[in-house]
Amino acid sequence: DTAVSQTPKYLVTQMGNDKSIKCEQNLGHDTMYWYKQDSKKFLKIMFSYNNKELIINETVPNRFSPKSPDKAHLNLHINSLELGDSAVYFCASSQAASFPNEQFFGPGTRLTVL
Amino acid sequence: QQPVQSPQAVILREGEDAVINCSSSKALYSVHWYRQKHGEAPVFLMILLKGGEQKGHDKISASFNEKKQQSSLYLTASQLSYSGTYFCGTERVRAGGGADGLTFGKGTHLIIQP
Repeated sequence: DTAVSQTPKYLVTQMGNDKSIKCEQNLGHDTMYWYKQDSKKFLKIMFSYNNKELIINETVPNRFSPKSPDKAHLNLHINSLELGDSAVYFCASSQAASFPNEQFFGPGTRLTVL
Repeated sequence: QQPVQSPQAVILREGEDAVINCSSSKALYSVHWYRQKHGEAPVFLMILLKGGEQKGHDKISASFNEKKQQSSLYLTASQLSYSGTYFCGTERVRAGGGADGLTFGKGTHLIIQP
């Protein structure tokens, strides 16, 4: 069984469109994260959710909004897509945010904005 | 504050040893190490939580010098499967205690040749 899954795996879209990436974890973890990995492989945290509450919100544009319908899901909505949004987006989860724990990463979603 | 990793890249022959360093200008609560192979998600290697702590996993070990705000990853008798990009992720100490999530270094590219 896949621990952390993401859909879609690839996403190609035009500038100005709105898109969503879905993430689900079946590990029973309390905290989920979204990371962006750019073309230089720099891995940067965007958001994390702990029990449906946003606990980290890095300096990302407000065009990006995480939405968590329940503890097992953390979706990423992106409005008005820009060329610079092209990257690989990874979802991850860990047992708790209050104490350092291993993070399990999903397979990634490669977003290409044309 | 992004941790600084060195070297940026290493090319080794199978069986040789390597050391990857990670340093921070901020006080650290923990250091995480991950390995990412091309086109795949980062995979957890280990967490170091205490100053001076050393942990090992097969022929990969790491140390954490909390006072110097540094961690090193040691790869002994490297195998072809060790190839990939290694990331250190650091957590800073919050004023109120606890940690506020991972900030990753830019990665160290490790190439193992037969």
